[in-house]
Amino acid sequence: EAQLVESAGGLVQPGGSLRLSCAASGFTFSSYSMSWVRQAPGEGLEWVSYISSSGSAIYYADSVKGRFTISRDNAKNSLYLQMNSLRAEDTAVYYCAKTTGSYYGYFQNWGQGTLVTVSS
Amino acid sequence: DIQMTQSPSTLSASVGDRVTITCRASQSIGSWLAWYQQKPGKAPKLLIYKASSLESGVPSRFSGSGSGTEFSLTISSLQPDDSATYYCQQYNTYSRTFGQGTKVEIK
Repeated sequence: EAQLVESAGGLVQPGGSLRLSCAASGFTFSSYSMSWVRQAPGEGLEWVSYISSSGSAIYYADSVKGRFTISRDNAKNSLYLQMNSLRAEDTAVYYCAKTTGSYYGYFQNWGQGTLVTVSS
Repeated sequence: DIQMTQSPSTLSASVGDRVTITCRASQSIGSWLAWYQQKPGKAPKLLIYKASSLESGVPSRFSGSGSGTEFSLTISSLQPDDSATYYCQQYNTYSRTFGQGTKVEIK
């Protein structure tokens, strides 16, 4: 069974940086695309970024483009999200998700989520 | 971006009721639609993909239908464990978007 475990988030000052990790197990990580999805407190879900299985295709939501960088290490079964120039509106629970299916894919398995708070 | 609009925002129904949630896309997305269930403090759980395909392990009382711009999620006989917020999500474009959610409450 697929298992995804995000690293701890934390409190970051506006303008600061944070790197999230997601450790994958229970499936062949290198065969699947992965994504990050976030949820601001009390709000709905927002897709953040996508990376293909090989890392050759990467997409970002407009709200994070130029500030966030997604990457993966298939040898370590790990997904990453480097977040720079953080803003208060980036405060959210961040989920990593195994992305599958045809076309641009849906989110078949999710991690437990990690809270990132951007505040001074 | 494709906008996804769910209705209603909240619904209250009794155990055993048939419940339907609607999701409307701002442009045609074919059948590239998924439905998720989220309980408070938990990660979302995939229920339906490709508009009508039931994810493995999901109870058969859940079903999805629709194509193009109009979709629905139906719970044939509402159970206490179904109290949750439900989201639709399109994956017709790289900028995947979610509906705003429908909170289902048990009377």
